Amino acid sequence: GNSVTQMEGPVTLSEEAFLTINCTYTATGYPSLFWYVQYPGEGLQLLLKATKADDKGSNKGFEATYRKETTSFHLEKGSVQVSDSAVYFCARSYGNNRLAFGKGNQVVVIP
Amino acid sequence: AAGVIQSPRHLIKEKRETATLKCYPIPRHDTVYWYQQGPGQDPQFLISFYEKMQSDKGSIPDRFSAQQFSDYHSELNMSSLELGDSALYFCASSSGGTGSNYGYTFGSGTRLTVV
Repeated sequence: GNSVTQMEGPVTLSEEAFLTINCTYTATGYPSLFWYVQYPGEGLQLLLKATKADDKGSNKGFEATYRKETTSFHLEKGSVQVSDSAVYFCARSYGNNRLAFGKGNQVVVIP
Repeated sequence: AAGVIQSPRHLIKEKRETATLKCYPIPRHDTVYWYQQGPGQDPQFLISFYEKMQSDKGSIPDRFSAQQFSDYHSELNMSSLELGDSALYFCASSSGGTGSNYGYTFGSGTRLTVV
């Protein structure tokens, strides 16, 4: 299939803590991988991407590395801020120009 | 920079009514995609257009139709609305029909509520 799996449940952490959100994908073909962020009441914003194995996407302090051997694309940030509170979606490309999304993770950063 | 514009932002309709959602892509983008995001769900692909022709079709109900016009804007027409159609509808655009390789740009969405 063309599925994307994200870790279950919301993530609550304190400001300046280290954030990790796990994402794995089915190894069908050689997809491009993405993280999108959705702030409350807003649309999906592309946070970062990686188009081939071992690529590292980075933006606004967030990073994710395309790991073909573990079919993973985990999102990390070293020191989160309250403004990072949002829902984060992992996604992969598939088919004729589609994106398949994971279920999303609500991240709540407490001051 | 100009983004993808969707209108309206919010729409309330009654069951069995019709709704039309509009999407204006980023200038010079020729490809438009529609996604549906139910409450607490991940976005699901509905349909896409490249150069005014349907390029791909996903899980779009037969009650829905869409098209892309000569100015590249797109409209999603939804008839015989059901309660389950209540969702956030996103439009995205890209250039050259290869958006999923590099990531599309999404609009802010239209929130449709069917009552």
